[in-house]
Formats: sequence, structure tokens, C-alpha cells
Amino acid sequence: DQQVKQNSPSLSVQEGRISILNCDYTNSMFDYFLWYKKYPAEGPTFLISISSIKDKNEDGRFTVFLNKSAKHLSLHIVPSQPGDSAVYFCAASGGGQNFVFGPGTRLSVLP
Amino acid sequence: DTGVSQDPRHKITKRGQNVTFRCDPISEHNRLYWYRQTLGQGPEFLTYFQNEAQLEKSRLLSDRFSAERPKGSFSTLEIQRTEQGDSAMYLCASSLVGGRYTEAFFGQGTRLTVV
Repeated sequence: DQQVKQNSPSLSVQEGRISILNCDYTNSMFDYFLWYKKYPAEGPTFLISISSIKDKNEDGRFTVFLNKSAKHLSLHIVPSQPGDSAVYFCAASGGGQNFVFGPGTRLSVLP
Repeated sequence: DTGVSQDPRHKITKRGQNVTFRCDPISEHNRLYWYRQTLGQGPEFLTYFQNEAQLEKSRLLSDRFSAERPKGSFSTLEIQRTEQGDSAMYLCASSLVGGRYTEAFFGQGTRLTVV
């Protein structure tokens, strides 16, 4: 039973355009959500997070939106750059416990 | 470099052998996690420590797996009698837990290949 879902295995976007990566979760106990970026042969790198008391968090080109009623969050990257090409993982935790990861979305930013 | 360090980066072993991996967390971090990642999947939780106490273990962590964190510093993950299904990337992460919300920082992982 996958508690964190990323239904798009891959996404291609033109350089300079917006990238939108989506994530859905099923466990209503989750109260903290994170996005990680992963390059091949490296560990995941923390990007941005949001707690359940907020619906938006912004950090430079990255913005995360949380819709608690729909159990949905999304990561927006504007403008997209070729260096953003990587696998993006959505993760969630509840009660300060361990993190549950989605299967990832491979983003390709085309020059 | 003050990030999470894992050793070795790669390990090839024969089926049935024992292997041990080491993780050195960010020095002031009190929580340490082990995850496993296979191709096309996200990281899967194995276990975590708060200081030296092992607080949670996943059902993925069979009795062939054991993890320790003596003195609340570095951690080791041992796999006994390795099987081909153990081939994966083993990831360690650490975090500083004080409030309710805190992100984890990952090391570069140890890629295990069982032949």
C-alpha cells in the first residue's frame, strides 16, 4: 500500500518554462512534507518543505503548494533550468517519525 | 566536508557473505536513518536511531539485518548471509530533532551488488 504517490514517472519541460511535479498521499496523519532532488549515483538532496499548517512555501525558484483536503502537494520550478534535470522525490512524515517517500518523477529540462 | 559520509561507496560481494556499511552523520545531528533504494523506486525506510537508541525498525529489516549506533555517533548496518535480493543502494541520513519539523540530510549511499 503506497502511502505517497507520484503518478508521473517522467516529465519533460522546455528551459525557461514552469515545471510542475505532483504528489498525492493517503495517510491523514502526515503533517510534514518535503521534496528531494536526486542525481545519478548521489544521495537525495533536500530542496524544500512545508508543514500542514501552511498551504504554500517559497524558496527562490521553488514553490511547494499543499492542499490538505485533497491530500495533494505540488512542486513548482520557475524558470526551469537544464541543471534541474534530475529525479524528484516527494516525502512525508507524521508525528516527527520517519519519512515515507514516493517513487519519484524524472524531470528533463530541454535546452 | 561536514555532510553525511558513507563508506564504502560500492561493495560487491558473493551470495552468503556478510557485509557491513558505515555512516558518519552530521556531527551535531541526534537522529540517524537507514534507507534502501532499488532501481525505479523511492527510498524505503529501514530503521532509525535517536542518539544511541534504535526507535523504529521496518518489517523490511529481516533478522539478517542489524544496525547499531554506539555512543550516538556513527552507525553501522550489517547484512548477514547476503542474498541477491539485497542488491540495492543503502542510504544513510541524519537530522537534528528539536521541534516537530525537521528535514533529513542524506549521504551519497553505498551501492551493494550481490553476485
